[in-house]
Amino acid sequence: DAGVTQSPTHLIKTRGQQVTLRCSPKSGHDTVSWYQQALGQGPQFIFQYYEEEERQRGNFPDRFSGHQFPNYSSELNVNALLLGDSALYLCASSPDGGYGYTFGSGTRLTVV
Amino acid sequence: GDSVTQMEGPVTLSEEAFLTINCTYTATGYPSLFWYVQYPGEGLQLLLKATKADDKGSNKGFEATYRKETTSFHLEKGSVQVSDSAVYFCALRSNTGNQFYFGTGTSLTVIP
Repeated sequence: DAGVTQSPTHLIKTRGQQVTLRCSPKSGHDTVSWYQQALGQGPQFIFQYYEEEERQRGNFPDRFSGHQFPNYSSELNVNALLLGDSALYLCASSPDGGYGYTFGSGTRLTVV
Repeated sequence: GDSVTQMEGPVTLSEEAFLTINCTYTATGYPSLFWYVQYPGEGLQLLLKATKADDKGSNKGFEATYRKETTSFHLEKGSVQVSDSAVYFCALRSNTGNQFYFGTGTSLTVIP
């Protein structure tokens, strides 16, 4: 049974560009959350999607947006990239209301 | 707001030594508490959890007890192995929300 799959694993972008990261949740999971993990820090909550709607959002600017598709997969979009957006972006899926939170291996984004 | 304070690292221990990583939390209501482990280049893996006061979570020789009176969830292992070398994150999930709050992580290196 595949867990959470994220793509790409690594990418490099230039300041000011836009980026899209992708996540396929674990089978049976319908809720997807995104986290940003800066180097040497703990993950910070960006937002959560359920039933194709953003259900909760952390303290991140509107440059960060997302989408969830009918098959529960999700995208994270970041516009106008800043050097400070360089981080590991983690996707986590769970069954709604459940504790079975499963993390993907992340996408390492480097902004130059 | 909800938050987790975790013992600063890095921690270096000899094989078979006793491990304690301190974690305290601030939360309204009755959160669930977790320890996650992150190996180099990987995402987060759930190590153990406790969902109510006085619960003890355990897995792979690691243990942590949910202490409401001291708002703590310290991680312990009686005899560490080289393979335990990783970064450990304490986290809470509020019973009023869907997001996790993580500590900053504690890096553990076990030397033979």
